[in-house]
Amino acid sequence: SQKIEQNSEALNIQEGKTATLTCNYTNYSPAYLQWYRQDPGRGPVFLLLIRENEKEKRKERLKVTFDTTLKQSLFHITASQPADSATYLCALDREYGNKLVFGAGTILRVKS
Amino acid sequence: GAGVSQSPRYKVAKRGQDVALRCDPISGHVSLFWYQQALGQGPEFLTYFQNEAQLDKSGLPSDRFFAERPEGSVSTLKIQRTQQEDSAVYLCASTSIWTGGYEQYFGPGTRLTVT
Repeated sequence: SQKIEQNSEALNIQEGKTATLTCNYTNYSPAYLQWYRQDPGRGPVFLLLIRENEKEKRKERLKVTFDTTLKQSLFHITASQPADSATYLCALDREYGNKLVFGAGTILRVKS
Repeated sequence: GAGVSQSPRYKVAKRGQDVALRCDPISGHVSLFWYQQALGQGPEFLTYFQNEAQLDKSGLPSDRFFAERPEGSVSTLKIQRTQQEDSAVYLCASTSIWTGGYEQYFGPGTRLTVT
């Protein structure tokens, strides 16, 4: 069956450092992969989308890579700030406009 | 509207009661999704509408769960005879196929607690 794995333990880093979060998947060939941020008591907020034919995407301090051979995506936040502390979810789907399959998320804590 | 809204934000139901959860998507958004999120987990797909048509309901856990979107805008998720395992946050998301984007815009969710 399809499986998406994200770091199960929280990631604690110092302000100013680069945070790297991992998303691995099995038994799946997604057309695209998305990363969302979720704060406590709120719904997920879209951050970045990368398609299967793209290797890297950037947006401000965010960078995502997508390796369809390794079946892995890495999500980087450079120059991290305490305000970046949240749960980060990766999500995949095969088709445009269809349902997303989410990982369980990774909690990121950035300490000042 | 400014974003996806959901009501109520919190709902406490006694086991066996029926509940109705409402979602107001972003105006003009064609597609609407319902997800269920258990504590410490990612959202899990329940059902999907394109306009008023329910195109996928494969994620609904039982026949006690029913969703509708009769006029292609507001949607209601109904749970009959609630059970304790139904306790979760229910998220609604919408997306516009006209922008060319695939990202989903989520509401704040309804936290359902069944006692």
